[in-house]
Amino acid sequence: DVKVTQSSRYLVKRTGEKVFLECVQDMDHENMFWYRQDPGLGLRLIYFSYDVKMKEKGDIPEGYSVSREKKERFSLILESASTNQTSMYLCASSEGLRGPALTFGAGSRLTVL
Amino acid sequence: DQQVKQNSPSLSVQEGRISILNCDYTNSMFDYFLWYKKYPAEGPTFLISISSIKDKNEDGRFTVFLNKSAKHLSLHIVPSQPGDSAVYFCAASVKGGSEKLVFGKGTKLTVNP
Repeated sequence: DVKVTQSSRYLVKRTGEKVFLECVQDMDHENMFWYRQDPGLGLRLIYFSYDVKMKEKGDIPEGYSVSREKKERFSLILESASTNQTSMYLCASSEGLRGPALTFGAGSRLTVL
Repeated sequence: DQQVKQNSPSLSVQEGRISILNCDYTNSMFDYFLWYKKYPAEGPTFLISISSIKDKNEDGRFTVFLNKSAKHLSLHIVPSQPGDSAVYFCAASVKGGSEKLVFGKGTKLTVNP
């Protein structure tokens, strides 16, 4: 079964800490994405990557950065976590040329105290 | 400006009856539409999609209808089952590109036994 795996399901961090959220996919997909989901706001795109070492800003990139050193791995970095970054973070991937259906990971619930 | 709108935050239906989830969009350039289902503590899973060249697509108990002139699509679930209880997200894209996928805020469906 194809998978998108997010390494941490639940994290609790303190304000100002650097946070790494890791995501790995085993489908050889070109595209990878980071979304955050908040009640009443739906899914909002933070960053996406369409190739190794390539990245594009989504709708809400402020306070975040990403890294894609290998095709299968896409990391989301919070340089200095803040309480308003408490959220559910969802990683997803898709094949570049075969339609937009995303495969999502199970999510990482981040709480910043 | 919210390009994909799901105006009903929640919907409650009796088991065996029809569930109708609605979605409106404002961008006439959208040409591919998808529905995702999300259970608590899990990532969204792709449910069904429709291209703008069609007005209906069926997959088992799930049917999506597209009314381009009204910029409206709907998801019908017949018959509804308790296991269908989840949050449903409508999403749309331009030129079928996953990097341009825009999500609605979601509708929480509860199917009562």
